[in-house]
Amino acid sequence: GEDVEQSLFLSVREGDSSVINCTYTDSSSTYLYWYKQEPGAGLQLLTYIFSNMDMKQDQRLTVLLNKKDKHLSLRIADTQTGDSAIYFCAETSPEGGYQKVTFGTGTKLQVIP
Amino acid sequence: DVKVTQSSRYLVKRTGEKVFLECVQDMDHENMFWYRQDPGLGLRLIYFSYDVKMKEKGDIPEGYSVSREKKERFSLILESASTNQTSMYLCASSLSGEKYEQYFGPGTRLTVT
Repeated sequence: GEDVEQSLFLSVREGDSSVINCTYTDSSSTYLYWYKQEPGAGLQLLTYIFSNMDMKQDQRLTVLLNKKDKHLSLRIADTQTGDSAIYFCAETSPEGGYQKVTFGTGTKLQVIP
Repeated sequence: DVKVTQSSRYLVKRTGEKVFLECVQDMDHENMFWYRQDPGLGLRLIYFSYDVKMKEKGDIPEGYSVSREKKERFSLILESASTNQTSMYLCASSLSGEKYEQYFGPGTRLTVT
């Protein structure tokens, strides 16, 4: 099956920028997503990017996509303690009918006050 | 607001018991999903359903079955629970289409002793 990989942990100081990285193997990936999971809760969609884009900005969030290297990143500017969570990269493709989403392993972001 | 609810937040069962996990969504979504979440493994798809009475195996269906008799309800069944099924179980729903996000319930933490 297709793979989506992330590093497991990231620790940053409050006010710094966080960069969470993801690599995927499916060359037909069409939509790529970032979900956030706060402690004790389910996942919530943060943002997504279509594969013909290379950047998307949404307030403190910047998503960069390098389709050639199959690399996706999420940058959080001015990281706050409320950003502490697990962040999942995910992708869908036409082969999965778009319904089937492949999730990465998740990156646990710890924000140090 | 879309709401996905799961019948229990915490559940403790004995090995060999039959276990039912219920999920209900209130937004008339066609698609519903069951995942299990384990540290370091991310989310893995167990089963999904794209319509009433329809189901598709995900990546790890062994030891599980599902039922979707009504559009809003998707049940996960562990016919004979085993200790390796101790995990967090997440239900999600989505509309059909290219980039519709998945909406998640809060999860059920199942412990099998």
